[in-house]
Amino acid sequence: DIVMTQSPFSLAVSEGEMVTINCKSSQSLLSSGNQKNYLAWYQQKPGQSPKLLIYYASTRQSGVPDRFIGSGSGTDFTLTISDVQAEDLADYYCLQHYSYHTFGAGTKLELK
Amino acid sequence: EVKLVESGGGLVQPGRSLKLSCAASGFNFNDYWMGWVRQAPGKGLEWIGEINKDSSTINYTPSLKDKFTISRDNAQNTLYLQMSKLGSEDTAIYYCARAPGLRRDYWGQGVMVTVSS
Repeated sequence: DIVMTQSPFSLAVSEGEMVTINCKSSQSLLSSGNQKNYLAWYQQKPGQSPKLLIYYASTRQSGVPDRFIGSGSGTDFTLTISDVQAEDLADYYCLQHYSYHTFGAGTKLELK
Repeated sequence: EVKLVESGGGLVQPGRSLKLSCAASGFNFNDYWMGWVRQAPGKGLEWIGEINKDSSTINYTPSLKDKFTISRDNAQNTLYLQMSKLGSEDTAIYYCARAPGLRRDYWGQGVMVTVSS
């Protein structure tokens, strides 16, 4: 089974700052067939369903602001949020779907 | 408009079974893999399992394999989750999702299941 280690558990930020959230997988998520990393990032606000932000590690979902940037390959991945806005305060999860599916433990983004 | 509407949740006694449904509309249901995810109160997301377009492949998180059964009825555009021998640890919001993690990703609003005597 692939284990996803997500860090940090929580993050306190001020509006306008940049934040990074990391996910490390216990094995590579890169497909040799199509050279895509099977890693997605989700945002979840209180009382709402998760919302897909990034798929294939770095492709932004339609309608997602360009301050959300996904990067990484293989086993190490990062979600960067530049110029954090109040509306970005939420929980963030990574999801691997290279071999079955596994979520990271989540990162809570809070206001400083 | 794409819609996924979960139903069948509620209060259930420990040890009992419950079957959740997820009614799909606004897209060709039989073109998509579908999955179930749950979230215990105040906790993170937990993957339950997924089913392919024609039900020939069903995958489960190993630790939940003996408790849950996923099925679908493409004629009725409905996804199901059969849950058995429920315990307090199964108290959660249960979400159905279309093609999770991919461009066509879409989630329902979730349904609450509370296991308590």
